[in-house]
Amino acid sequence: DAGVIQSPRHEVTEMGQEVTLRCKPISGHDYLFWYRQTMMRGLELLIYFNNNVPIDDSGMPEDRFSAKMPNASFSTLKIQPSEPRDSAVYFCASTTYFTALLLNTGELFFGEGSRLTVL
Amino acid sequence: SQQGEEDPQALSIQEGENATMNCSYKTSINNLQWYRQNSGRGLVHLILIRSNEREKHSGRLRVTLDTSKKSSSLLITASRAADTASYFCATAGDTGTASKLTFGTGTRLQVTL
Repeated sequence: DAGVIQSPRHEVTEMGQEVTLRCKPISGHDYLFWYRQTMMRGLELLIYFNNNVPIDDSGMPEDRFSAKMPNASFSTLKIQPSEPRDSAVYFCASTTYFTALLLNTGELFFGEGSRLTVL
Repeated sequence: SQQGEEDPQALSIQEGENATMNCSYKTSINNLQWYRQNSGRGLVHLILIRSNEREKHSGRLRVTLDTSKKSSSLLITASRAADTASYFCATAGDTGTASKLTFGTGTRLQVTL
């Protein structure tokens, strides 16, 4: 299995520009998560999807952030307009959950991340 | 917001020694997981312990969970230079939020030769 694939790995952009980060989850996984990692705030959950439907976007910091999952194999996280404080590493992760008969939370499989620098 | 707080923030040991990291959390959980992150890479799952379990082993890893104290520990025995990484605990809520994993602040482990 190729694992979770994220692109780009590195992005440097100027303030005000639109940034689009992409994620391909592991085939068969029905949950997809977007996390942001910074030194100051650690790992923050931004949003997660189940079967392509956004379930909880309470972690999305502002209206400048939006995420979509048009199909089971692709998701995007968009920042428009970008600001220097958005500089961080953005991780996508996917998983599938067993039923309540076993346990209802499984391990997450993370991509390698997209390092965003906004100048 | 951070659910887990790891302790210590950084740990430096020599190869062959044991490394112990602790995690405290605030709310009831369904399970607790530990992840490793090598520099510049994504997180990798190490081990999961359910709320009704007290101890679990996987290779050189030993995890304990004390739900009464809302704490967990990760022990790495006979450490190797390749164990150098950051280690995070993550908790899954017990009701309604079981799908969300909340990560702690992490412990940076340095294993020297």
